[in-house]
Amino acid sequence: NAGVTQTPKFQVLKTGQSMTLQCAQDMNHEYMSWYRQDPGMGLRLIHYSVGAGITDQGEVPNGYNVSRSTTEDFPLRLLSAAPSQTSVYFCASSYWGNFNTEAFFGQGTRLTVV
Amino acid sequence: GNSVTQMEGPVTLSEEAFLTINCTYTATGYPSLFWYVQYPGEGLQLLLKATKADDKGSNKGFEATYRKETTSFHLEKGSVQVSDSAVYFCALSQGTGNQFYFGTGTSLTVIP
Repeated sequence: NAGVTQTPKFQVLKTGQSMTLQCAQDMNHEYMSWYRQDPGMGLRLIHYSVGAGITDQGEVPNGYNVSRSTTEDFPLRLLSAAPSQTSVYFCASSYWGNFNTEAFFGQGTRLTVV
Repeated sequence: GNSVTQMEGPVTLSEEAFLTINCTYTATGYPSLFWYVQYPGEGLQLLLKATKADDKGSNKGFEATYRKETTSFHLEKGSVQVSDSAVYFCALSQGTGNQFYFGTGTSLTVIP
């Protein structure tokens, strides 16, 4: 039972480089989201999706793109990395339409931009 | 708007001590409330939840009661163990969008 799988676990980028953080879930959840975790700021929502082909912005979307071509996958793209994007990134999934449900989290990707 | 405020850390306790981590919220409607725990190097895991006023969530000896009158959801445990050392996040969710609002997290260290 894999749950939510994120890759890679660690990544170092140079300023200006691009990369994609992968996220996959095997629970058939409609809702998927990306958060970044920074010291003293908790988790902040970057982007979310309520189903294949549907995405929307969260609290801190600038510098990030997402797409949702399948129910299972929700990649996060950094087009031109900046030091301010150094953070720990978490992908989460849950059923949609039921706000009582819990969110399931991946193990995180620790990204450093130098 | 929606927001969650939880007590600043870090918190250091001796084993078997009583734990309280305060959490208050602001919400426009009737949210569900959650406590998540993050062990070192791992993602967040659901610890407990409550979906309506006066509900008590409990798990692994931890408890929290949804208090609508004080807009609070304080986490308590009667006797902490070294294995409880982690970061604890209070969160709320409401509406059909499943959007979660997290507090800043409280780091707990339990020493033998």
